[in-house]
Amino acid sequence: DAGVTQSPTHLIKTRGQQVTLRCSPKSGHDTVSWYQQALGQGPQFIFQYYEEEERQRGNFPDRFSGHQFPNYSSELNVNALLLGDSALYLCASSFETGLGHEQFFGPGTRLTVL
Amino acid sequence: SQQGEEDPQALSIQEGENATMNCSYKTSINNLQWYRQNSGRGLVHLILIRSNEREKHSGRLRVTLDTSKKSSSLLITASRAADTASYFCATDDGNTPLVFGKGTRLSVIA
Repeated sequence: DAGVTQSPTHLIKTRGQQVTLRCSPKSGHDTVSWYQQALGQGPQFIFQYYEEEERQRGNFPDRFSGHQFPNYSSELNVNALLLGDSALYLCASSFETGLGHEQFFGPGTRLTVL
Repeated sequence: SQQGEEDPQALSIQEGENATMNCSYKTSINNLQWYRQNSGRGLVHLILIRSNEREKHSGRLRVTLDTSKKSSSLLITASRAADTASYFCATDDGNTPLVFGKGTRLSVIA
């Protein structure tokens, strides 16, 4: 049973460019959340997708957008990259059972903006 | 902003010793979870404790929750070098996504 997968593993971009990160959820999961983790910090929630709709959003600008596909996989897009966008981007999947929100995380994509 | 605050920020112990990490939070919660992260990689879920539970065990892990003090502790018994990692607590109130603290960096010296 494959866990959460993310691609690419590492990415280097320059300021002003655009980037797309991809995530495939754990088998049987229908909800995907994206987090940004700066060095030395805990993950910060960006947004969550369920049934191809953005269900919740954290305190991130509109430069951050996403998409969920019918097979539950998801993309995170960041436009007009800033140096401060350099971080580890984590995808997490879950299946809401009403009993809590245990999330399964992927290995992350390390984005470096130069 | 981050709700959970782990304490201490860093902890160094000898193999075989117990490690205790604490987490404090500010608002009412439904659940509190602990995650482990090895060297900037993905997070691994360790344990979830619900707001109506006081203590939970999983292998060498013991988690307590005191909702009156808005705090939780994670105890790792008989630590091993492989336990070296960052440990995060995360809370949710049933309506909002997980909110993580800044983590405790644990070093277990062989």
